[in-house]
Amino acid sequence: NAGVTQTPKFQVLKTGQSMTLQCAQDMNHNSMYWYRQDPGMGLRLIYYSASEGTTDKGEVPNGYNVSRLNKREFSLRLESAAPSQTSVYFCASSLAENTGELFFGEGSRLTVL
Amino acid sequence: GENVEQHPSTLSVQEGDSAVIKCTYSDSASNYFPWYKQELGKGPQLIIDIRSNVGEKKDQRIAVTLNKTAKHFSLHITETQPEDSAVYFCAASKGNTPLVFGKGTRLSVIA
Repeated sequence: NAGVTQTPKFQVLKTGQSMTLQCAQDMNHNSMYWYRQDPGMGLRLIYYSASEGTTDKGEVPNGYNVSRLNKREFSLRLESAAPSQTSVYFCASSLAENTGELFFGEGSRLTVL
Repeated sequence: GENVEQHPSTLSVQEGDSAVIKCTYSDSASNYFPWYKQELGKGPQLIIDIRSNVGEKKDQRIAVTLNKTAKHFSLHITETQPEDSAVYFCAASKGNTPLVFGKGTRLSVIA
């Protein structure tokens, strides 16, 4: 029972470098989400995908791009990392768009120097 | 858009006492209010939720109450145990928009 799997769990980048966070779910869920968690800021939505083939911006999309590769996989890309993107990133999925339980991965801790 | 305020940001209680965390929301059209628990190093996990057609819901030691008129909802944990220590998040949505989370409450249960 893997649920939602994120890779990598830890990453250190230099300012200006690029990287992709990978997320996969094995629950046959339609919707997937990327959140960032910063101290005292709670969970803020970056992008989400209501269904395969669609993506939408969340509250804090600047500096990020996403790809819904197929029903299982949803990746988050930082094209030119900035120190302000130092955060813990969580991928989540749900059976249907914006309703019901979100299932979260264990997070990816990103540090941008 | 929706704005969710959560209080307190930190809460310490003695083991066996009750803990209450409160949230307010801004959009009167919101109709779904879940609570998530995040243990150290883990992703958040749903512990209880309530929809706007219900005023209260219980699951063993945890309960959630909703006051639609005042636009606030609360999480109640009774007979707290050390394993209840975690960060708790409230959230709100109106079904056609993603969840908006509060900023979290760090609960410490002191044995």
